[in-house]
Amino acid sequence: GAVVSQHPSRVICKSGTSVKIECRSLDFQATTMFWYRQFPKQSLMLMATSNEGSKATYEQGVEKDKFLINHASLTLSTLTVTSAHPEDSSFYICSATKGIPQHFGDGTRLSIL
Amino acid sequence: DAKTTQPNSMESNEEEPVHLPCNHSTISGTDYIHWYRQLPSQGPEYVIHGLTSNVNNRMASLAIAEDRKSSTLILHRATLRDAAVYYCILPSGSARQLTFGSGTQLTVLP
Repeated sequence: GAVVSQHPSRVICKSGTSVKIECRSLDFQATTMFWYRQFPKQSLMLMATSNEGSKATYEQGVEKDKFLINHASLTLSTLTVTSAHPEDSSFYICSATKGIPQHFGDGTRLSIL
Repeated sequence: DAKTTQPNSMESNEEEPVHLPCNHSTISGTDYIHWYRQLPSQGPEYVIHGLTSNVNNRMASLAIAEDRKSSTLILHRATLRDAAVYYCILPSGSARQLTFGSGTQLTVLP
């Protein structure tokens, strides 16, 4: 079946650091990729929708200058958390799709000290 | 956007069938019904989707009410690995975005 690879799986870094998370669709070309965030014991919250070659569409309340999304190809999207602070600590999950369904990565657990 | 309502939690015994209900009384005629599940510390996993007719795949069955205002995900023989949060979602928006509610936490008892 379709596979989405997300890297790294876990990051621990100091406050003020920028962190890049990669999301790759390994065996299909994704027309759309999505980025989600999930805090402990809560559900997934959509952060942004990304199409290859165009600017991402951010959900209300998500700072586009803090969460930079680059969707350079049909198989790769990156999320950069700039100048991360402890409140940005969360589980970040990407998904990719070329229609139905969405295929999810295994997530990146980001811990900011 | 059409919303869904699911029980917060359900329990099942191993190797028995599980029926997970979902209410979506404001569903529109073109809304598909999707089910995903999320195992602990993992990203969600697609389970099944349908529009009007009942659907079967290797993971589960989806029974859709005739008026489409409710649906039921059926796991025919629950295993311990089926313990997860199950989400019933009606994708919306131009990109068919998924809005995750709180889902149903399924506990499978050995």
